[in-house]
Amino acid sequence: GEDVEQSLFLSVREGDSSVINCTYTDSSSTYLYWYKQEPGAGLQLLTYIFSNMDMKQDQRLTVLLNKKDKHLSLRIADTQTGDSAIYFCAEGGYQKVTFGIGTKLQVIP
Amino acid sequence: GAVVSQHPSWVICKSGTSVKIECRSLDFQATTMFWYRQFPKQSLMLMATSNEGSKATYEQGVEKDKFLINHASLTLSTLTVTSAHPEDSSFYICSAPKDGQIYEQYFGPGTRLTVT
Repeated sequence: GEDVEQSLFLSVREGDSSVINCTYTDSSSTYLYWYKQEPGAGLQLLTYIFSNMDMKQDQRLTVLLNKKDKHLSLRIADTQTGDSAIYFCAEGGYQKVTFGIGTKLQVIP
Repeated sequence: GAVVSQHPSWVICKSGTSVKIECRSLDFQATTMFWYRQFPKQSLMLMATSNEGSKATYEQGVEKDKFLINHASLTLSTLTVTSAHPEDSSFYICSAPKDGQIYEQYFGPGTRLTVT
């Protein structure tokens, strides 16, 4: 079955870059996602990447995909205190999405 | 952007009672909606796929008679937790992709259910 794994916690200083890593198991996944969840709130889609891409950049966000190793990463440049949240990695095909456990990002001022 | 709302945002109920949670797509039609459950410090677990005009599809291990889903219109799906127990206390989140889109889901803000 599908499985998505990511580390539980990451702490960075404001202004530094954050890198959140994720591994997945389903090689048939068409899309890979990064979602952000702030306390008590629903999920916000940050970015997604098609499985045939290696990299996608969107302003401060850079997504790298190593399909051979089934490894996905999210880099946040110039991390701000407002970036403190839980970040979920997810994989999906047609609509159905499997989520990782989430990485809590703490930004230290 | 597309907006999905949930009502209520939080609810406290007594054991044995039933609670209905609504999920609405406000500015788009959604033939399909998804219901997730999230325990503290855990990931989202898909409970069921709600289909407009037909029966919901439940994930393995989810009791369909306990978690009743109704998708009566293209913008509304409801989840009813019947005969609630304290172990049903959780954060319930719905999502909906826009019809025609397969890669992006819009999530509701979630409903926190506490069963006493």
